[in-house]
Amino acid sequence: DMKVTQMPRYLIKRMGENVLLECGQDMSHETMYWYRQDPGLGLQLIYISYDVDSNSEGDIPKGYRVSRKKREHFSLILDSAKTNQTSVYFCASSPGTGGGAETLYFGSGTRLTVL
Amino acid sequence: GQQVKQSSPSLTVQEGGISILNCDYENDMFDYFAWYKKYPDNSPTLLISVRSNVDKREDGRLTVFLNKSGKHFSLHITASQPEDTAVYLCAAGENQGGSAKLIFGEGTKLTVSS
Repeated sequence: DMKVTQMPRYLIKRMGENVLLECGQDMSHETMYWYRQDPGLGLQLIYISYDVDSNSEGDIPKGYRVSRKKREHFSLILDSAKTNQTSVYFCASSPGTGGGAETLYFGSGTRLTVL
Repeated sequence: GQQVKQSSPSLTVQEGGISILNCDYENDMFDYFAWYKKYPDNSPTLLISVRSNVDKREDGRLTVFLNKSGKHFSLHITASQPEDTAVYLCAAGENQGGSAKLIFGEGTKLTVSS
């Protein structure tokens, strides 16, 4: 079953706490992404990963870092979370090769609230 | 600035009518264009995509038109139905060896009224 799994689904943290968002995919996709979605702004790209330990900044990387040690797993880390990082975070993956290489498969999202 | 822009935050169409959703982009290097559909509290899913070597692609009730000189692409949905009610996100990017760093627009909320 082709799937992108995000954990947790909902998360509440206090300002200054560290946050770890996890994402997994079972499709052996090369490329993985982290986006955040805010009202009126659509999906904004935070980081893209082309494969294990091959990560690249997106449009809004400040305040975030990522880790990809296995192809199927991509983590987003917020060191000392800020209230303006309250958002819905989507992980996605794409095949990177073949027909439909660019097609993004999204996880169900993590709704993060930073108090 | 916003590289991919959807100027209409919302659109209402009568059932059976044609829904036209528009998207503008800035980067000449973009060569891949897509439309995603998103229901509330759900994740976006790909509807249809097109590469820059064509200016039109049809798939059932959906047609994507690409105007490269105008840096504009649109999605037409014919015979619109209430179940088409959703947020539609356009996306564009440059294919980089298979992957594309997709930039999304802000979204247009389509409501199909019966």
